[in-house]
Amino acid sequence: GESVGLHLPTLSVQEGDNSIINCAYSNSASDYFIWYKQESGKGPQFIIDIRSNMDKRQGQRVTVLLNKTVKHLSLQIAATQPGDSAVYFCAERDTGGYNKLIFGAGTRLAVHP
Amino acid sequence: DTAVSQTPKYLVTQMGNDKSIKCEQNLGHDTMYWYKQDSKKFLKIMFSYNNKELIINETVPNRFSPKSPDKAHLNLHINSLELGDSAVYFCASSQGTGGNTEAFFGQGTRLTVV
Repeated sequence: GESVGLHLPTLSVQEGDNSIINCAYSNSASDYFIWYKQESGKGPQFIIDIRSNMDKRQGQRVTVLLNKTVKHLSLQIAATQPGDSAVYFCAERDTGGYNKLIFGAGTRLAVHP
Repeated sequence: DTAVSQTPKYLVTQMGNDKSIKCEQNLGHDTMYWYKQDSKKFLKIMFSYNNKELIINETVPNRFSPKSPDKAHLNLHINSLELGDSAVYFCASSQGTGGNTEAFFGQGTRLTVV
């Protein structure tokens, strides 16, 4: 079946460094991907999305890269701050329609001062 | 002015009980969802409604029954609660079912069955 997974369950970085969170997906037909951030005790919060006809998309301090050849997504966070500490999920939209999102397992980002 | 709100935030109940979780969104969206997040943080969709019509019904025990009285509300009723139902349940909404529409999530309801 379809699945979205992450390579690293936990990522520790120093404040001010750049962070890279990786994600692999299995359905080559997926056309839309989203990164969510989930802080402790809260619901997932949208960070950035990307369509399959793009390779890169930038937001404020965040960049998502999509490599369709190897079915890989990454989220880059520039100048990581303590407030970036959270669990990050990538999600792909199921090709069956209805905006069904298939989530990966999540990566915990820990930012140290 | 919370966009997607769920009640209650915490729910502790005994096995065998019946409980409901309520969700409301004020974003004007026409699609709402229920997701379950287990103890390992894995998020999986359970149900989705579009304009009060059930459009996604994943492999979920029929003890779980969603109800959408109108576009802005999606409730989840659970009968005969079991220990394995303990999880965090998230309601979400989105505008439409296609295009590039991210889902907005509520704060979650942590259900503990004892």
